[in-house]
Amino acid sequence: KNEVEQSPQNLTAQEGEFITINCSYSVGISALHWLQQHPGGGIVSLFMLSSGKKKHGRLIATINIQEKHSSLHITASHPRDSAVYICAVRSNSNYQLIWGAGTKLIIKP
Amino acid sequence: SQTIHQWPATLVQPVGSPLSLECTVEGTSNPNLYWYRQAAGRGLQLLFYSVGIGQISSEVPQNLSASRPQDRQFILSSKKLLLSDSGFYLCAWSVNALTEAFFGQGTRLTVV
Repeated sequence: KNEVEQSPQNLTAQEGEFITINCSYSVGISALHWLQQHPGGGIVSLFMLSSGKKKHGRLIATINIQEKHSSLHITASHPRDSAVYICAVRSNSNYQLIWGAGTKLIIKP
Repeated sequence: SQTIHQWPATLVQPVGSPLSLECTVEGTSNPNLYWYRQAAGRGLQLLFYSVGIGQISSEVPQNLSASRPQDRQFILSSKKLLLSDSGFYLCAWSVNALTEAFFGQGTRLTVV
């Protein structure tokens, strides 16, 4: 079993829908990252969080340390949000990043 | 502000040929530097990381090597490429092991 599991693997939705991507992990962490990988491959860091909730524009990330679970939400989704969203956790034992396999999101106009 | 440059963006190389991918960081000193690989349909895999000049840690034994000849330069190399080396290679930097990582644009390598 992977140490970081994302769901769903693929998600297709209509423009305007509320999107939720989930990430569960099984190791002790010091932080959790959400990243966005564009179709060309470039990766952009969206959030780094260790507790609670963060919001940036239409993106919201939450984390529940006790349940070892995080969610990334996109409100009023738009076709330009189409990308692969990746969850990564920083291990609190060796501080290296452990990566989820990503969620491929397609927003249709 | 800090920026990271990685090149080339795409590369097609024959089996058995050498490889050299370069990554440089601007606007910061003594960064942690990382090389990751993303095979098709899979998550990112850490290949090498460096906390200083000449200090390289290898996470996965394989056909590749890394070097850090200067503080803000990180090079990924191979003497003889294998078909299985094909993938998407990403360079990243962070201030230290606990802070946010910033990524280059990546290199898509196809070994033919």
